Amino acid sequence: EAQLVESGGGLVQPGGSLRLSCAASEFPGFTFSSHWMSWVRQAPGKGLEWVANIRQDGNEKYFMDSVMGRFTISRDNAKRSVYLQMNSLRVDDTAVYYCARDHKGLFDPWGQGTLVTVSS
Amino acid sequence: EIVLTQSPGTLSLSPGERATLSCRASQSVRSDYVAWYQQKPGQSPSLLIYDTSTRAAGIPDRFSGSGSGTDFTLTISRLEPEDFAVYYCQQYGSSPRTFGGGTKVEIK
Repeated sequence: EAQLVESGGGLVQPGGSLRLSCAASEFPGFTFSSHWMSWVRQAPGKGLEWVANIRQDGNEKYFMDSVMGRFTISRDNAKRSVYLQMNSLRVDDTAVYYCARDHKGLFDPWGQGTLVTVSS
Repeated sequence: EIVLTQSPGTLSLSPGERATLSCRASQSVRSDYVAWYQQKPGQSPSLLIYDTSTRAAGIPDRFSGSGSGTDFTLTISRLEPEDFAVYYCQQYGSSPRTFGGGTKVEIK
């Protein structure tokens, strides 16, 4: 099965910035450049929340309302990677951030996640 | 935005018993585009069911999904020890994609 590995999480103060990365392993049947990719987050002890996604060529992107204007999403197909740049971070952005292949709105597979903690 | 409400919040059952999980949408889900995910402690979610009733690759047939419109159900016919986990429904018929709050299936 394709493997996605996130990195870049950590502790940041409110108002700060962080850049998350997600690298996809090369696997038969999973051509990274052929798929939409999404970021989904999960606050501690809470449910799942879709954050953003990006089209195969990087030219179409969507965001949840509460992160619009603060987060950007990008990808580098040569590196089989997708990124989430998070600016003006707030305490309520604290969560585990997962990347996932986005197939017509279905998320499969998921990475193991990276924890972002926004706290002073 | 479609709001998904899952019930019950927690289901306490014994291995071998039948589990019935409910997911209700605030409005009709286009083409019944509802999926279910399983999340075990400390792990990322994994896809179980999509298009309301189609099992993902490798998912055993004790898992089944049903429903239409605004009411959807995940049934686990006979609980195995590895099935005790949190289950989330998700709709992908309209944007933004949304998830339910989850149902925890715990050992009684």
